[in-house]
Amino acid sequence: QVQLQESGPGLVKPSQTLSLTCTVSGGSVRSAGHYWSWIRQHPGKGLEWIGYIHYSGTTYFNPSLKSRVSMSVDRVNNQFSLKLTSVTVADTAMFYCARRDTVGLDGAFDIWGQGTLVTVSS
Amino acid sequence: QSVLTQPPSASGSPGQRVTISCSGSSSNIGSNSVNWYQQVPGTAPKLLFYDNDQRPSGVPDRFSGSRSGTSASLVISGLQSEDEADYYCAAWDNSLNGHVVFGGGTKLTVL
Repeated sequence: QVQLQESGPGLVKPSQTLSLTCTVSGGSVRSAGHYWSWIRQHPGKGLEWIGYIHYSGTTYFNPSLKSRVSMSVDRVNNQFSLKLTSVTVADTAMFYCARRDTVGLDGAFDIWGQGTLVTVSS
Repeated sequence: QSVLTQPPSASGSPGQRVTISCSGSSSNIGSNSVNWYQQVPGTAPKLLFYDNDQRPSGVPDRFSGSRSGTSASLVISGLQSEDEADYYCAAWDNSLNGHVVFGGGTKLTVL
């Protein structure tokens, strides 16, 4: 079955760019009915949607983060990535990649990675 | 402050029935379907319901979901100890060119 795995630095300095990659196994990013998503969770807090990307390049971002977020898809390596610029300590969070299914699950996030903790600190 | 409002906590004894509410507005729950996620502490969220009341395979039928107007509910009947987790509702919001919104989460304690 499809599995997702996040990777990237666990520590980022303030004002720098946070970069994470999610590797898709058991399936393809080149799936018309799926959007590849990033969701974060601040320590002890709830879930916050960051955005998602379709393999065609179409993106949707959280309005509150839109000015700092970019996403891309790597069809060759079956991965998708997140970049968050100008980070502050407030961006410290667990970051999850997830698959959004628009075929049979009405846009729900049906598969999640295990998550990766990113700490912003000097 | 989350766009969707959930009670921060809920509790019940084994075998009891518990309801978790999720309140939104016309731009989200009022016009789009609701999904529910279960997150056991220390693990990634898991899809519990999609399209308001549809259970993915593997979700026990003692879990049920519903939507009415601008609110949604998750009901757990026959509460079990393994149900202790955080529960989140989510929906698409049509405002600001569209985006996904989550509830703040409800921590369910099985007494």
